[in-house]
Amino acid sequence: KAGVTQTPRYLIKTRGQQVTLSCSPISGHRSVSWYQQTPGQGLQFLFEYFSETQRNKGNFPGRFSGRQFSNSRSEMNVSTLELGDSALYLCASSLAALNEQFFGPGTRLTVL
Amino acid sequence: DQQVKQNSPSLSVQEGRISILNCDYTNSMFDYFLWYKKYPAEGPTFLISISSIKDKNEDGRFTVFLNKSAKHLSLHIVPSQPGDSAVYFCAASEKNTGNQFYFGTGTSLTVIP
Repeated sequence: KAGVTQTPRYLIKTRGQQVTLSCSPISGHRSVSWYQQTPGQGLQFLFEYFSETQRNKGNFPGRFSGRQFSNSRSEMNVSTLELGDSALYLCASSLAALNEQFFGPGTRLTVL
Repeated sequence: DQQVKQNSPSLSVQEGRISILNCDYTNSMFDYFLWYKKYPAEGPTFLISISSIKDKNEDGRFTVFLNKSAKHLSLHIVPSQPGDSAVYFCAASEKNTGNQFYFGTGTSLTVIP
């Protein structure tokens, strides 16, 4: 069974640009969650999608948005990038709520 | 504010000895807890979980203990092996909140051969 895949793995952008990250969950998983990992902050929850609906949202500004498609693939968008958005963005999928989450390798975003 | 805290950024243990990683939380509504292990350049991988109806869960060399009154959980690894060297994250969630997990900042474990 293929694991969670994230593309691209690395990305360099400049301030003010926007970026779209993609996540393909494990086949059959309907829940996809996104996290931001920065040094000293651990993993911060961004949002969770389940069956194309945003089920939960963390404490991030509206510049961070996402969506989920009918095949459970998910995208995350960050608009008007700031230097502080430089981080590792992790996607995790699971079968259902409060189930073990399987993480992808992450997308390393650098904002210059 | 950080609802899940791992106050030890790093820990070194000799091979064969016990590793104890600690985690504290502030939200009394948390009732499901997990531990993840993360190697560099990889996403976290699930290790072990515990729900609030239990105070201990074991899986091979890994045991998680939950002390609800103290809002504290710990992960014991016995015996520790060099391959256990990684960053360990604890995470917590409330019932009926889907998969909104709050993670600690991680503890980097080094097992010395």
